[in-house]
Amino acid sequence: KAGVTQTPRYLIKTRGQQVTLSCSPISGHRSVSWYQQTPGQGLQFLFEYFSETQRNKGNFPGRFSGRQFSNSRSEMNVSTLELGDSALYLCASSQGQGRETQYFGPGTRLLVL
Amino acid sequence: SQQGEEDPQALSIQEGENATMNCSYKTSINNLQWYRQNSGRGLVHLILIRSNEREKHSGRLRVTLDTSKKSSSLLITASRAADTASYFCATDAVGGNNRLAFGKGNQVVVIP
Repeated sequence: KAGVTQTPRYLIKTRGQQVTLSCSPISGHRSVSWYQQTPGQGLQFLFEYFSETQRNKGNFPGRFSGRQFSNSRSEMNVSTLELGDSALYLCASSQGQGRETQYFGPGTRLLVL
Repeated sequence: SQQGEEDPQALSIQEGENATMNCSYKTSINNLQWYRQNSGRGLVHLILIRSNEREKHSGRLRVTLDTSKKSSSLLITASRAADTASYFCATDAVGGNNRLAFGKGNQVVVIP
């Protein structure tokens, strides 16, 4: 089976812009979770989608949003980018629940200037 | 919310030596998982140990779980340069919010 894929791998944006990141889970996996990783805060949970519904949400402002499509592919969007949004954004999929073994993609590295 | 905390934060060892890192957590768990992350890439699942298990092996990895002390350890035997990575523990809390809580990571450098 192909692994989790994320696009794009690298992205440079300026403050105030918005960005959309994409994640394709492992075939058959219905849960997709998103994480933000920074050197200072570590790995922080953003949200989880299951069958096109947001099932869980972390403590991030409303500028961070996501969605999941019927084929389980997921996108996350960050609007009005801030310098502090520079991070590695990781997507992970699992078969059922977000607390099961997570299979991570390679991540999208976002730099906000 | 519960979060695993690894200790020590950074470890530098010679190839062939064993590497041990610990993880502590605050509340009861259903399971604890260890992940590895190579420089700036995605995390790779290494091993999952359930709350009713005390020890688990996978290749050169040995994980122990002490629920009375709310701690786990990951031992990598006969380390290789390719083991250089950051290692994270993640916990699934009992009655929690149905998601994993990751620790801050433990950087291991294996010197050839």
